[in-house]
Amino acid sequence: SAVISQKPSRDICQRGTSLTIQCQVDSQVTMMFWYRQQPGQSLTLIATANQGSEATYESGFVIDKFPISRPNLTFSTLTVSNMSPEDSSIYLCSAREVAEAFFGQGTRLTVV
Amino acid sequence: QKEVEQNSGPLSVPEGAIASLNCTYSDRVSQSFFWYRQYSGKSPELIMSIYSNGDKEDGRFTAQLNKASQYVSLLIRDSQPSDSATYLCAVNQAGTALIFGKGTTLSVSS
Repeated sequence: SAVISQKPSRDICQRGTSLTIQCQVDSQVTMMFWYRQQPGQSLTLIATANQGSEATYESGFVIDKFPISRPNLTFSTLTVSNMSPEDSSIYLCSAREVAEAFFGQGTRLTVV
Repeated sequence: QKEVEQNSGPLSVPEGAIASLNCTYSDRVSQSFFWYRQYSGKSPELIMSIYSNGDKEDGRFTAQLNKASQYVSLLIRDSQPSDSATYLCAVNQAGTALIFGKGTTLSVSS
């Protein structure tokens, strides 16, 4: 299975600022995704990170708030922009090999 | 709207018992089905995948799929306290992201 390194693992940020989360996979993967998991909740898909093109966002998530880059088949970033306390959550990077998907260790974000 | 439904629990079983976790999904064209285990404060860990009707066994875990009923289940035999976690059911079609249920919390008492 792919090994996914995500950083930072946690951060405390001031409202109105932005944070970029990095996701590095140890092998080339066809698909990468970003999820959000709020306390006590399941995983909500934010977007599919497309290599070399704009990400595909799910309903309720927009590019201006969550810009995503994927410059190659092993790396992606998610930026949480103009943060508010409602953005406090765990953000998870996921990569798919064929059918199975694996996760990074997550980024625990607290906005104060 | 594609949905994956799970009983949130908590499901409590004694050590050594069989734990049975259930999941239903709404999208009939779903092709792949997964069970993830998530310990508190950790990211989800894949424990089982199943793609065709019937049973698939891996150690103490058995996944069961019934596409006609749009139903997936996970049986954990000889449950151990270390199995206490939240179990997430996930489904998808080829080339798409996984859609997750809300998870079932399992508590195994010693």
